[in-house]
Amino acid sequence: SQQGEEDPQALSIQEGENATMNCSYKTSINNLQWYRQNSGRGLVHLILIRSNEREKHSGRLRVTLDTSKKSSSLLITASRAADTASYFCATDSNTGNQFYFGTGTSLTVIP
Amino acid sequence: GAGVSQSPSNKVTEKGKDVELRCDPISGHTALYWYRQSLGQGLEFLIYFQGNSAPDKSGLPSDRFSAERTGGSVSTLTIQRTQQEDSAVYLCASSFPHYQPQHFGDGTRLSIL
Repeated sequence: SQQGEEDPQALSIQEGENATMNCSYKTSINNLQWYRQNSGRGLVHLILIRSNEREKHSGRLRVTLDTSKKSSSLLITASRAADTASYFCATDSNTGNQFYFGTGTSLTVIP
Repeated sequence: GAGVSQSPSNKVTEKGKDVELRCDPISGHTALYWYRQSLGQGLEFLIYFQGNSAPDKSGLPSDRFSAERTGGSVSTLTIQRTQQEDSAVYLCASSFPHYQPQHFGDGTRLSIL
C-alpha cells in the first residue's frame, strides 16, 4: 500500500513565486527522496534527505524533514515555467525492500 | 545512451494474452525496481531486485505477475492472462547502491483491449 501522501494535489502559481509541497508518511524511514515527472516521461531524482538530517538545499530547492511528525516539505523558490511537472516524495519501508511514492503534487507555473 | 532503457515503449494487446516487458538498467547498477503508474496516479511499487534476487515479492498485484533478472542486468516483467485493469504505465528504475537515487526509464505504456 502507498505510504506517502502529498498535498496539495494540484498547485498553480505565477512565475517567480515560490511553491511549497508537503509529504506525509506512516512508518520509520532510512531516507526520503523527492522526484519530478514531466508528462509522459519517467521520474527524475531531485534531492535525497537522510533520516538524521533536517534540512537540505540544492539550487532553488529546499527540503525539510521532520521525523517526529513523519512529514517533509519541498520548496521551489523563484519558480519558472519549466518547473511545471508532477512532484513525488518517496520513502523506503522498514525492511528497505519496498518503496513508496506518494500520489504527487501537480505544479503549474504560469508564465 | 547511458540511461535506463525500457521496451517496448508502447504495447497494445488483447485481454487474456501474456505480455513481457523489458528493462535494461544503467550498467553497474545492482538495484533494479519495477513500478506501475495508472493514469494520473502515483507509483505503485511492484518489486525490487538486489542483483538477481528479489527479497520481497509481496508488491506484485497477483500471481499473474512475475519478474526475473538475469546476470545482474536485464530484467523482464511478465503479466500472464492480462486483464483490462492491468492497463497502466510500467516504470523501471535502477540505482547503485540500494537506497541511492533511482534512475528511471520512460516506461512501457500497456493497453489491454
